[in-house]
Amino acid sequence: GESVGLHLPTLSVQEGDNSIINCAYSNSASDYFIWYKQESGKGPQFIIDIRSNMDKRQGQRVTVLLNKTVKHLSLQIAATQPGDSAVYFCAENTGTASKLTFGTGTRLQVTL
Amino acid sequence: EAGVVQSPRYKIIEKKQPVAFWCNPISGHNTLYWYRQNLGQGPELLIRYENEEAVDDSQLPKDRFSAERLKGVDSTLKIQPAELGDSAVYLCASSQGGRREQFFGPGTRLTVL
Repeated sequence: GESVGLHLPTLSVQEGDNSIINCAYSNSASDYFIWYKQESGKGPQFIIDIRSNMDKRQGQRVTVLLNKTVKHLSLQIAATQPGDSAVYFCAENTGTASKLTFGTGTRLQVTL
Repeated sequence: EAGVVQSPRYKIIEKKQPVAFWCNPISGHNTLYWYRQNLGQGPELLIRYENEEAVDDSQLPKDRFSAERLKGVDSTLKIQPAELGDSAVYLCASSQGGRREQFFGPGTRLTVL
């Protein structure tokens, strides 16, 4: 079936650098995407979302980019901090069914 | 405002025993979801409720799993009997009607011995 996947299982960045976490999706009908952050022992925490009629959305220190041509989604974290260390998931949604399909996740490690 | 509440946070049982998980969604959220998350993987939907109606239970293993949301607020997910492969984190999430962003609880980590 169609799925959401991530290119890199682990990403290590130095504190203060920018992080880019990538995600490929295969369902061209997906029209809504969410990035979640999951810390150890906690549930996924909503970070930012984007609809397919947009190609960029910014939040506090985070930016999501959507390239529908190549079906690629990225999460950019500016000035990465130790507290950003977690597993990041992208998830896609198609239509109004409210069913999210999650990828495997990327672990972000922030080094001092 | 309180987030999604789940209990217990951890549960260890022997195989073939029953187990139940409880979820209280964010106030005013009429859509409730149960997910299962295996180690190192993303959550997978088990069942979705719109108020008290289960509108998507296609991924719920109905031979041993059951769920209810009798008054359209709290929900319970049950496994009977549990198998070794059921060890996972069970997550509850909720969303407000007409909105697609889902908010997750802390999950219940189930270990079946």
